Amino acid sequence: GAGVSQTPSNKVTEKGKYVELRCDPISGHTALYWYRQSLGQGPEFLIYFQGTGAADDSGLPNDRFFAVRPEGSVSTLKIQRTERGDSAVYLCASSLGGGIGELFFGEGSRLTVL
Amino acid sequence: LAKTTQPISMDSYEGQEVNITCSHNNIATNDYITWYQQFPSQGPRFIIQGYKTKVTNEVASLFIPADRKSSTLSLPRVSLSDTAVYYCLVGEGGGADGLTFGKGTHLIIQP
Repeated sequence: GAGVSQTPSNKVTEKGKYVELRCDPISGHTALYWYRQSLGQGPEFLIYFQGTGAADDSGLPNDRFFAVRPEGSVSTLKIQRTERGDSAVYLCASSLGGGIGELFFGEGSRLTVL
Repeated sequence: LAKTTQPISMDSYEGQEVNITCSHNNIATNDYITWYQQFPSQGPRFIIQGYKTKVTNEVASLFIPADRKSSTLSLPRVSLSDTAVYYCLVGEGGGADGLTFGKGTHLIIQP
């Protein structure tokens, strides 16, 4: 597709379960970002990939959160032992180079932890 | 320490020009200023980016004074569809430092 694709668009899970959220960036974009957005707040930075490696993971809230991008394209955000406070919209964005420049966002994956 | 400060909300009317100002007193030499727009249930969308003086594109203008401690996003002749949240970001890109979103400005356009 032409834009950033995120799946699933909606995920409802129970407290304590494991969740994976997938991001398919724009073809050729080397930089990939994950953000988390709670209601009424701006997007909160989680992690930034340049190619296959995590260049900055300082935004991951704790060790229950992990993200991978093994081939430098698709990325998966993994959340273990989900908690109700993890409920949010998880946004993925990609950009051509990773420095200053336009970020292209997906529509997000809405996670609800019951 | 917040990098940017924006009004929480603004109201205007269709056909008016809207100016949203962002304060960034601690902007660094290598930092750029970028604005994004976000509609409900969508990801943010890039509007405009600049370093100094004035930048204009087909949807907006960005005014940056010489000291670069603030910037103003100008939306000409707004319509109802411009109702959205607008975010001002300051940074040099590449990770958390470059792309930190604040709470944004909720712009409401009335008929």
